[in-house]
Amino acid sequence: NAGVTQTPKFQVLKTGQSMTLQCAQDMNHEYMSWYRQDPGMGLRLIHYSVGAGITDQGEVPNGYNVSRSTTEDFPLRLLSAAPSQTSVYFCASTRESGNTIYFGEGSWLTVV
Amino acid sequence: GENVEQHPSTLSVQEGDSAVIKCTYSDSASNYFPWYKQELGKRPQLIIDIRSNVGEKKDQRIAVTLNKTAKHFSLHITETQPEDSAVYFCAASTSNSGYALNFGKGTSLLVTP
Repeated sequence: NAGVTQTPKFQVLKTGQSMTLQCAQDMNHEYMSWYRQDPGMGLRLIHYSVGAGITDQGEVPNGYNVSRSTTEDFPLRLLSAAPSQTSVYFCASTRESGNTIYFGEGSWLTVV
Repeated sequence: GENVEQHPSTLSVQEGDSAVIKCTYSDSASNYFPWYKQELGKRPQLIIDIRSNVGEKKDQRIAVTLNKTAKHFSLHITETQPEDSAVYFCAASTSNSGYALNFGKGTSLLVTP
């Protein structure tokens, strides 16, 4: 098992550009989520999904879109990048509520 | 929504001493409380977790205690070693939100030889 795979690992965007952070897991996990991590802020939930076709907003969803067309994939889309979206993004998955959550290696995004 | 407070933000201990990190949560529906260790540039790694039906859990040098009445939980690391130096995060999850976690802001632990 590769676990949770995120791409790209590093990305620099210009303000106003759009891009997609990819996330895939091969553990047949129902639940997937995206977090962002900023210095001194811990991790904050952006969006999550409890199964294919179902997504919901977390604490900081503005400026991001998600979709869950398959169990394996959960891409995060930045519609029009802003400097405030400069952050480290982590994708995570778990088999069921209250079970061990597995994180991807992270994606470092800089918006200039 | 859920609010998780974590203290202290930084902690420095001598090798061999104990370290304690405390967290409080606001939502009485929270039922899952994991602790993560994060080294610089790495992903968070689960080190221990506890569920609301348990008051204490121990794994070698690491232990977690939960007081549901007071809505607080703590991480205890005994016989600290330099490799324990990292940022530690507590988190809480409610059954209504599924697995989605609310994190504390982290504690930077430094263990000096």
